[in-house]
Amino acid sequence: AQKVTQAQTEISVVEKEDVTLDCVYETRDTTYYLFWYKQPPSGELVFLIRRNSFDEQNEISGRYSWNFQKSTSSFNFTITASQVVDSAVYFCALKGSAFGQNFVFGPGTRLSVLP
Amino acid sequence: GAGVSQSPRYKVAKRGQDVALRCDPISGHVSLFWYQQALGQGPEFLTYFQNEAQLDKSGLPSDRFFAERPEGSVSTLKIQRTQQEDSAVYLCASRRQAEIVDTQYFGPGTRLTVL
Repeated sequence: AQKVTQAQTEISVVEKEDVTLDCVYETRDTTYYLFWYKQPPSGELVFLIRRNSFDEQNEISGRYSWNFQKSTSSFNFTITASQVVDSAVYFCALKGSAFGQNFVFGPGTRLSVLP
Repeated sequence: GAGVSQSPRYKVAKRGQDVALRCDPISGHVSLFWYQQALGQGPEFLTYFQNEAQLDKSGLPSDRFFAERPEGSVSTLKIQRTQQEDSAVYLCASRRQAEIVDTQYFGPGTRLTVL
């Protein structure tokens, strides 16, 4: 079975603070893919990043960075110098290598960035 | 428009009624997904189409749920004899190719409320 856990239900930070959203996953597959999506109040999920299981390099994109550690089955997401526009629900998702298209999403973390 | 569109955006149904939810994917996208998102939860996979073929319907919760994509473009998710537990946001996503590494683009969702 595959599972994604996002232990932080809600986080509030003040603008310009750094914030890290945690994601822990479970899978028996040796090849798998991890994703982060942002869901603003409008409701549409916006793709942020995809990583595959054999690429553990961390990635930085502007104020966003991702830390993938297979040893702890974690794929954490950090926003540096947060802004009010970062307020949204963030989802971590997993797709294993088994046949089928069943993407497993975590329960999400609601981030509120206060001015 | 250039994105995935869904209609209606909101639907209220009395328990026992049948409903039909429509998804217009991005033009030319091969893959189409349906997800169910309960309040405060992450999306849960329902079904997947590659062109007109429904290749994965492992997430459909019961035989009251039926999806089709007869011409490989627009898709309809039908729920028969709606129950209160069917109340959720139904998200549609499309992907340009069949490969997992390609990005899913989500629509704004249809919020279904069953009274």
